[in-house]
Parts: sequence; structure tokens; C-alpha cells
Amino acid sequence: AQTVTQSQPEMSVQEAETVTLSCTYDTSENNYYLFWYKQPPSRQMILVIRQEAYKQQNATENRFSVNFQKAAKSFSLKISDSQLGDTAMYFCASDTGNQFYFGTGTSLTVIP
Amino acid sequence: KAGVTQTPRYLIKTRGQQVTLSCSPISGHRSVSWYQQTPGQGLQFLFEYFSETQRNKGNFPGRFSGRQFSNSRSEMNVSTLELGDSALYLCASRLPGQGLSGELFFGEGSRLTVL
Repeated sequence: AQTVTQSQPEMSVQEAETVTLSCTYDTSENNYYLFWYKQPPSRQMILVIRQEAYKQQNATENRFSVNFQKAAKSFSLKISDSQLGDTAMYFCASDTGNQFYFGTGTSLTVIP
Repeated sequence: KAGVTQTPRYLIKTRGQQVTLSCSPISGHRSVSWYQQTPGQGLQFLFEYFSETQRNKGNFPGRFSGRQFSNSRSEMNVSTLELGDSALYLCASRLPGQGLSGELFFGEGSRLTVL
């Protein structure tokens, strides 16, 4: 079985600043995908960004980027120019095509 | 295109009762999976259905069961409810068979409170 660990239960960041959310995972698979999902308060979960394990290049989506360190099994999310709308729970997840495994989440608060 | 629809959104039950939750996936999505979300535990995988067959099952007791219909709609049932079953139950659909890029699309969840 795979495990996904998010060691930061809560974080806060000033508006317009940059914040990094950590995630480590453990898998014996060679090919897999990694995801960051965002769950705003009382709203549904949406995909933020995804990374294919066999791709060396780190994925980016506008203000969101990842630092994927395959050997270290680390997959952190960097949010630049934080906005109030970024306040949410963030979940890291891995998928080998068989089942998704989620971390316990990081609650991010953006402070005006 | 309509998203994933879950009903009911909120419900309150008492211990010992049973509950049925419903999920309608995005049109064309044949895979439906269910997750239990509780504070501090994140999302725990319950099961996944594809073409009316259970593909995977998580580590939950037999009180948790599910099924999928020919139109891909899915239901999950929890019998003999316990206080610890209080949680947000999330349904997600995706298009399997497209390699590993099958992003999960989530519904808004059904929040179950067991008294």
C-alpha cells in the first residue's frame, strides 16, 4: 500500500506572499501520478496541479508550482502571490492507476 | 456539463440506523469512488466501482457497502450506524482507461451526523 504524509496540519501566509506546502509519499511503483487538490471551506474539492512521476520537469499552473524530488519521494506545492481565495484545505495525493491515496491535509489561511 | 451530484447534502441519523447516499457521476464517467473525510484523518478510501463491478475496496467494516447501476450512478449504504461514522462522504468520478491521468472529479459531499 502507498502512504502519503503531510506534516503541516495548519499554515498561514500573508496575502501576496509565497508559501510552500510539504508532502512526502511512499510507493514501490515505478509509474504513478501525484496531485494536489484544494478544498475551499464548504465547497467541493478541485484539482490544483498534477505531476507525472516519469517527467523530470516540475509542473506549473499559473501561481502554483511543485517541487518534485523523485528520489526523496517529496512533492511540495508552492503558491506564489497568495490570494484570499487560496484559503482552503490542501490535499496531496498519489495514484498508480489503481487507487488514490490522500494525505491528511494542510489547512492554509491567507491573511489580508 | 453537469458535475458530480451527491444527495442528500446533509442528514442526521441515530445510532443503529442505516443510511443510503447517492452519487451521480459526470456524464460519460464510468468509474465512481467513495471516500470518508474526517478531521485529522484526511480522505479514507471506501471503494471504487466501474461498470457496475467493485474494483477496489478500502479497509472499512462490512457495514459499509455500495453498488453501481447501469447508468453509472452509485449508492453507498452504511448499516448499524455508529457515532464514529459521522463524517463527510465524498464521491468522485473519473474516466478510467486513459492511463494514469484520470483526474478525480468530486461532488460536494454528503455530511452525515450520527447522534
